[in-house]
Amino acid sequence: QQQVKQSPQSLIVQKGGISIINCAYENTAFDYFPWYQQFPGKGPALLIAIRPDVSEKKEGRFTISFNKSAKQFSLHIMDSQPGDSATYFCAAITGRRALTFGSGTRLQVQP
Amino acid sequence: KAGVTQTPRYLIKTRGQQVTLSCSPISGHRSVSWYQQTPGQGLQFLFEYFSETQRNKGNFPGRFSGRQFSNSRSEMNVSTLELGDSALYLCASSLGGNTGTEAFFGQGTRLTAV
Repeated sequence: QQQVKQSPQSLIVQKGGISIINCAYENTAFDYFPWYQQFPGKGPALLIAIRPDVSEKKEGRFTISFNKSAKQFSLHIMDSQPGDSATYFCAAITGRRALTFGSGTRLQVQP
Repeated sequence: KAGVTQTPRYLIKTRGQQVTLSCSPISGHRSVSWYQQTPGQGLQFLFEYFSETQRNKGNFPGRFSGRQFSNSRSEMNVSTLELGDSALYLCASSLGGNTGTEAFFGQGTRLTAV
């Protein structure tokens, strides 16, 4: 199973709030889980990534939480800003395979 | 360090024509993957090349093909273009080792079939 399920499809958050996007996977062979941020007309940009031997990784306002037993991982954006308004994709990859992407979450941060 | 460069940025072609898109990966990266992005289907994997060999392939018809050169630059070709091929085509480069690692995307080529 290569599928990665992402939710919600869209999210509206007030400025200063916390944005939470969730992903679930089936393939236990995945060994790297990146999150990408995409603005309209641009390619996806690598935001933050985690390996399954770590339960949490924080970079600035962005945190990945990883639950290996539940096969779930999530992105938390603290103190969300209007500039964070973009589409976010979770992804997973194993070794020599290609990235498997979630369906994307369109985040809108209202001022 | 230069990022992933895709050319051209925009392309308008007539149905039935052939198109070629180009991708220059980050220096030192040996893997180049191609993705098609559409509003309805999201990001779909086309194929991956590593050291001039196709290593992975997605579920696209044979009209979609690619190749990689010795300097790791890659081209994607669509023969007999169809209206449904209109999409943003993205390439991503990575080191391509035996474990998953960072993949960096280019800006994409917006292909419009008319």
